[in-house]
Amino acid sequence: AQSVAQPEDQVNVAEGNPLTVKCTYSVSGNPYLFWYVQYPNRGLQFLLKYITGDNLVKGSYGFEAEFNKSQTSFHLKKPSALVSDSALYFCAVRALSGSGNTGKLIFGQGTTLQVKP
Amino acid sequence: NAGVTQTPKFQVLKTGQSMTLQCAQDMNHNSMYWYRQDPGMGLRLIYYSASEGTTDKGEVPNGYNVSRLNKREFSLRLESAAPSQTSVYFCASSERTSGGAREQYFGPGTRLTVT
Repeated sequence: AQSVAQPEDQVNVAEGNPLTVKCTYSVSGNPYLFWYVQYPNRGLQFLLKYITGDNLVKGSYGFEAEFNKSQTSFHLKKPSALVSDSALYFCAVRALSGSGNTGKLIFGQGTTLQVKP
Repeated sequence: NAGVTQTPKFQVLKTGQSMTLQCAQDMNHNSMYWYRQDPGMGLRLIYYSASEGTTDKGEVPNGYNVSRLNKREFSLRLESAAPSQTSVYFCASSERTSGGAREQYFGPGTRLTVT
């Protein structure tokens, strides 16, 4: 079965410090991985994705993520956190089905990032 | 470009009432999705439409129906609302590729309360 896990419900970090939001996955075949961010009372916004190629992927707002095939992980990182980064972050993986590609995603349960001044 | 729009933004229903959530996108995307978001459970797929004229069940379809009215619009209907359907509903769309590598674009959501 395909799944995504975000082991931390909340991550707290001081402004200016590096941040990491963790994600592990379980899929058959090559994983297509995504990170989204949700600000309060808003829809999800796409941050970045890994399809193939370089294991370090750069995305919006200074975020990056590192794909690690041996550890089946895709952790989100940022070198220097901002208070405005405080939000809910979701990791997602492409869902495969017998009917072929449908673009469906499986989402993790989300991690709340709190950046304190 | 409005992106993905949803109406209404808020709705309160009594148990047994029906309603339709509307979604439209102006990005010429082939694929559209309906999700529900509940605390601690992430987003769960209710129904999706890979292309105009097709719809399929997702992870939690019971109690819902959908209509892909045209390429732009994808509506979600609750025929007889139940308290368990209290949730925030999101519509999303994406381009369709053979590899499934396209990101999804989300609407602002509909907050539904069933009493």
